[in-house]
Amino acid sequence: KNQVEQSPQSLIILEGKNCTLQCNYTVSPFSNLRWYKQDTGRGPVSLTIMTFSENTKSNGRYTATLDADTKQSSLHITASQLSDSASYICVVSAYFGNEKLTFGTGTRLTIIP
Amino acid sequence: DADVTQTPRNRITKTGKRIMLECSQTKGHDRMYWYRQDPGLGLRLIYYSFDVKDINKGEISDGYSVSRQAQAKFSLSLESAIPNQTALYFCATSQDSVNTEAFFGQGTRLTVV
Repeated sequence: KNQVEQSPQSLIILEGKNCTLQCNYTVSPFSNLRWYKQDTGRGPVSLTIMTFSENTKSNGRYTATLDADTKQSSLHITASQLSDSASYICVVSAYFGNEKLTFGTGTRLTIIP
Repeated sequence: DADVTQTPRNRITKTGKRIMLECSQTKGHDRMYWYRQDPGLGLRLIYYSFDVKDINKGEISDGYSVSRQAQAKFSLSLESAIPNQTALYFCATSQDSVNTEAFFGQGTRLTVV
């Protein structure tokens, strides 16, 4: 069964600090891995999409890494800001004619001043 | 204006009532999706449509139906709402290709009492 597991479930850090969120998956055949940011009461917004051949991808202060061999990804947030408080969702795509997305349950990140 | 607009944003309805959630998009995408989000669970796919003549069931379609009225419009209906359909519902769109990001609406919070 395709699964996406994220850790930690929740995280609280001080403003200005860095943090790393983890994602492990058992999805196959692997097509791509995405990270989304979801503010409370809003829809998810895409941060990055990585295919099998990409090891790292950045979007401003967000850097995602992918190890397709170990089926692990991380999202690193640098110099956190209060606006980074949100849920971060890892989504893995399998492709067998059509693309099928499996969503993780997310990491709830809280940035405190 | 938002690229993907959902109406209503919030709705409380009684058990047994029929309710329709509407979604419209200005992205010009062919692909549209309906997901539900429950606490502690990842987003789950209800229905998806690759064009106006193509409707497909997702992993949790029982109790739901959809209509693709035009490229830009995709509505979700609950024929006879039940309390366990209380959830946050999201509409999304994507381009007709793999490895492209999905754009989500703001969500509809539905409560069935």
